[in-house]
Amino acid sequence: DIQMTQSPSSLSASVGDRVTINCRASENIRVYLSWYRQRPGEAPDLLIFDAASLETGVSSRFSGSGSGTDFTLTISRLQDEDFATYYCQQTYTTPITFGQGTRLDMK
Amino acid sequence: EVNLLQSAAELKKPGESLKMSCQASGYRFTDDWIGWVRQMPGKGLEWVAMIYPSDSDARFSPSFQGRLTISADKSTNTAYLQWRSLKASDTAIYYCVRPIYSRGYYFDRWGKGTLVVVSS
Repeated sequence: DIQMTQSPSSLSASVGDRVTINCRASENIRVYLSWYRQRPGEAPDLLIFDAASLETGVSSRFSGSGSGTDFTLTISRLQDEDFATYYCQQTYTTPITFGQGTRLDMK
Repeated sequence: EVNLLQSAAELKKPGESLKMSCQASGYRFTDDWIGWVRQMPGKGLEWVAMIYPSDSDARFSPSFQGRLTISADKSTNTAYLQWRSLKASDTAIYYCVRPIYSRGYYFDRWGKGTLVVVSS
């Protein structure tokens, strides 16, 4: 199975800040990577697919980059609704696997 | 609008069986895969399985293969996930998802989740 490792596991930030979350795959997954946000008590929702493609309806404050084994999710101008847990997911092969999550808290 | 309507929460005893459902609407059910993701209490996301309703082709995570059955009813646009014998470790929220193929399968729609509690 492909292992996905996110860093950091948690971080604190303030409204208006810019934050970066990293995701590393245990082998080359090209650009077969998605990002999800899960607000407390809710189901996850898709933010980014194919490493850098913004899902329809998602704010342009979210952006993704990377290829191969190293990927980044950047959130600019943090808003209240962004304080949540974020997961990366490799879609290169089955079993589909997720990172362990990065919890973004309000400072 | 695409919607995945999941069945209600379940409280079961170890050894009991369970069949949960996910009714899809807003798209052609037989055109896309439909699947499940598990989230154990306080933990992350794990892909469980998915099925292509048109021909019932199914894919499982090795972690779940052999313990679960996935099926789909084209007449009611409903997918099912079934256990023959539950364990306490099956306690989790199970999300129904729609996998979309681009570069691999990502999940563009999620149901609200079905909470399963297995306790004696």
